[in-house]
Amino acid sequence: GAGVSQSPRYKVAKRGQDVALRCDPISGHVSLFWYQQALGQGPEFLTYFQNEAQLDKSGLPSDRFFAERPEGSVSTLKIQRTQQEDSAVYLCASSPHHTRDRGRSGANVLTFGAGSRLTVL
Amino acid sequence: GNSVTQMEGPVTLSEEAFLTINCTYTATGYPSLFWYVQYPGEGLQLLLKATKADDKGSNKGFEATYRKETTSFHLEKGSVQVSDSAVYFCALNNAGNMLTFGGGTRLMVKP
Repeated sequence: GAGVSQSPRYKVAKRGQDVALRCDPISGHVSLFWYQQALGQGPEFLTYFQNEAQLDKSGLPSDRFFAERPEGSVSTLKIQRTQQEDSAVYLCASSPHHTRDRGRSGANVLTFGAGSRLTVL
Repeated sequence: GNSVTQMEGPVTLSEEAFLTINCTYTATGYPSLFWYVQYPGEGLQLLLKATKADDKGSNKGFEATYRKETTSFHLEKGSVQVSDSAVYFCALNNAGNMLTFGGGTRLMVKP
């Protein structure tokens, strides 16, 4: 597609519910990232995929958070038994490069989606 | 570890005023530095970048120079417009796996 698409744009969940957030990266992009952005804060790294392989999940805040990208394109971020502190905007980003290949520009440039805003009541 | 510190907002300016948003960083090695902008209801957009010391990134009248000696990447614009109202994020990329962001600075430009 023309850009990174995320759905749903807005999700309200009751505490304890499970939620699933979807990310459609730009077609052909190798790298995919998930970030969490709390209100008034900068984005915080959650996890990173290179194709279907999850190479870094060091930012996932607990084992209630799970991400997958089974066919190396669409990715889903799942949050089990949601808590109020999970309320945030979840951002997905993709890049055409492997993270170690910085390309001629010398920097791995990410394209971000508009985000999914999760509110846990 | 890596960290980015930027001035807190909001920054409120009149149209055509000069803009500076300060950004300093802590990192090992030689990170790449970025400014991203977030307009209301939209995703983060890359504004400009610099990949090595003394590089100047520029776009849409915005500029930032990679200063290794002061570990800074301050964003400047000579004459802001109402349409520049947004949240600006300074970020660094070190060892390729992730961007580390500052807390963001909200800019409000009044006519």
